[in-house]
Amino acid sequence: AQKVTQAQTEISVVEKEDVTLDCVYETRDTTYYLFWYKQPPSGELVFLIRRNSFDEQNEISGRYSWNFQKSTSSFNFTITASQVVDSAVYFCALIRAYSGAGSYQLTFGKGTKLSVIP
Amino acid sequence: EPEVTQTPSHQVTQMGQEVILRCVPISNHLYFYWYRQILGQKVEFLVSFYNNEISEKSEIFDDQFSVERPDGSNFTLKIRSTKLEDSAMYFCASSVWAGEKSYEQYFGPGTRLTVT
Repeated sequence: AQKVTQAQTEISVVEKEDVTLDCVYETRDTTYYLFWYKQPPSGELVFLIRRNSFDEQNEISGRYSWNFQKSTSSFNFTITASQVVDSAVYFCALIRAYSGAGSYQLTFGKGTKLSVIP
Repeated sequence: EPEVTQTPSHQVTQMGQEVILRCVPISNHLYFYWYRQILGQKVEFLVSFYNNEISEKSEIFDDQFSVERPDGSNFTLKIRSTKLEDSAMYFCASSVWAGEKSYEQYFGPGTRLTVT
């Protein structure tokens, strides 16, 4: 069975502070994909990043960066110089990889609500 | 940029009534999904659909639920006899058929279902 744990239920930071959202996962699969999604107050789910289990290289996209450490089964998300527009619930998710075309069921964590205070 | 759309944005229904939630996936996507999110909780997988049949379904997706692709663009979720506990946000998602990008699911804005 797969499991994604986001231990931080809520985080509040003051604008321009850096913040890291933690994600720890469990899976017996050797090949899998990890994701982060953003859910702003309007409710939609916005895809942020996909990471292959074989690719432990960290990724940076503007103010966002992701740290994947297979040894600790973690896939943490850092927002640098946070802004009010970053206020949202952030979900970490996991999919097992299939060798061919197949159905891909996302397993989500419970989410971390980030509030950025002006 | 193409996006998944869902209608209605909010549906209120009485317990025991049938509801149909509609989705228009991204046009070149061939995998379709329904997820639900009970208020304040995590997003849960319901069902996936490919080539006009269900690929996978969760324990939540019991006989009260059904999915259909009635035409070339719409993907629907039907709940036959709604219960209070069906109140949730229902998300439709879609992905391409093959390759690394097939793992990226793009979600619609959701339909908030309220059962009274």
